[in-house]
Amino acid sequence: DTEVTQTPKHLVMGMTNKKSLKCEQHMGHRAMYWYKQKAKKPPELMFVYSYEKLSINESVPSRFSPECPNSSLLNLHLHALQPEDSALYLCASSITANTEAFFGQGTRLTVV
Amino acid sequence: AQKITQTQPGMFVQEKEAVTLDCTYDTSDPSYGLFWYKQPSSGEMIFLIYQGSYDQQNATEGRYSLNFQKARKSANLVISASQLGDSAMYFCAIPRDSNYQLIWGAGTKLIIKP
Repeated sequence: DTEVTQTPKHLVMGMTNKKSLKCEQHMGHRAMYWYKQKAKKPPELMFVYSYEKLSINESVPSRFSPECPNSSLLNLHLHALQPEDSALYLCASSITANTEAFFGQGTRLTVV
Repeated sequence: AQKITQTQPGMFVQEKEAVTLDCTYDTSDPSYGLFWYKQPSSGEMIFLIYQGSYDQQNATEGRYSLNFQKARKSANLVISASQLGDSAMYFCAIPRDSNYQLIWGAGTKLIIKP
């Protein structure tokens, strides 16, 4: 099973809403990632969890709050987002650093 | 600092022809790996193939192979017998400073014509 599952696939939210993106993998991977991707651009790393601890935060605004409840789950809590935060949000996992990452299908987020 | 360059923003290729997607890189790491990913319009980023800098042979995975030329710092992806389903964005990427962060190329949009 090389699957990373993300929910929801699409999300429309207002600027005052609170929502969460969810990501799950059962490959025993110990590194999990959140990426943001704008149209026609490569993905931009937001956060990395390694062994359930936040190891990288790429200076992401605090309106994005990651959480790793256990080794299989990764959440991204969203609050007071701006229209420019509209993008494809990708979750990924890998065995460890420098190994291939497996990505979910992404959540297409629109902030209105 | 590491850098990845994909010089082909877009390519049109006839179905069943072979395709070569270019990727050049710059790194000071003595040991590194290079990844290729495919992203269809559905959004999912699909891992295709990996090449380690010390691998003696070019990596192959089914119809995908890497033309790895270490001295020229290039790792071109070759897709044999292209199919309509190969139409997608293709990204190459290299780890930054041997950690979890990937440096991504700008991508190449490949369109396979029937």
